Amino acid sequence: AQKVTQAQTEISVVEKEDVTLDCVYETRDTTYYLFWYKQPPSGELVFLIRRNSFDEQNEISGRYSWNFQKSTSSFNFTITASQVVDSAVYFCALSEYIIQGAQKLVFGQGTRLTINP
Amino acid sequence: EAQVTQNPRYLITVTGKKLTVTCSQNMNHEYMSWYRQDPGLGLRQIYYSMNVEVTDKGDVPEGYKVSRKEKRNFPLILESPSPNQTSLYFCASSLRVGNQPQHFGDGTRLSIL
Repeated sequence: AQKVTQAQTEISVVEKEDVTLDCVYETRDTTYYLFWYKQPPSGELVFLIRRNSFDEQNEISGRYSWNFQKSTSSFNFTITASQVVDSAVYFCALSEYIIQGAQKLVFGQGTRLTINP
Repeated sequence: EAQVTQNPRYLITVTGKKLTVTCSQNMNHEYMSWYRQDPGLGLRQIYYSMNVEVTDKGDVPEGYKVSRKEKRNFPLILESPSPNQTSLYFCASSLRVGNQPQHFGDGTRLSIL
């Protein structure tokens, strides 16, 4: 079965440091999608990015960047010049094929990121 | 405003007392799903629905029921709640499955005593 591993349970850094959140996945599908979601202290889940398995280009959005490497089955997330507002739990997720026309998301355990002023 | 609405946001109840958590979306999404979030386990899928009258079990369906009589609503039913169902619950919807980001509700924190 598909699996997503976020080995870092908690990370704590000082503001303005760069930080990378690791995500490693397992899948037998050749076509799949990877996602990152943010859960701030208020509790809601916020979509950050989607990446399909055929697009290995890295993506940058402001201070956020994502490094997708199929060879190592990893989809890591880097925050540059971190800010206190980045403090949250971050989830990596993989779409899993179930039956014809149906898929579901498999989530990692989450990484709690704390940015200290 | 596009949104997924869950009610209640918080509930404390006792073992065995049936409860329903409602979920409604206004985006005409076909796919809806329920997850529970527990420390160290991430989000695990309880049930999902591909469309009206089409539902199926996720990874942790025991003790839960769902229905999808209308496209916009996907209630989660706990017929006889037990303390191990104390958790944070999220409803989510998307236009389709797999390649679409999920839109999540704000969560429902259930405490079963």
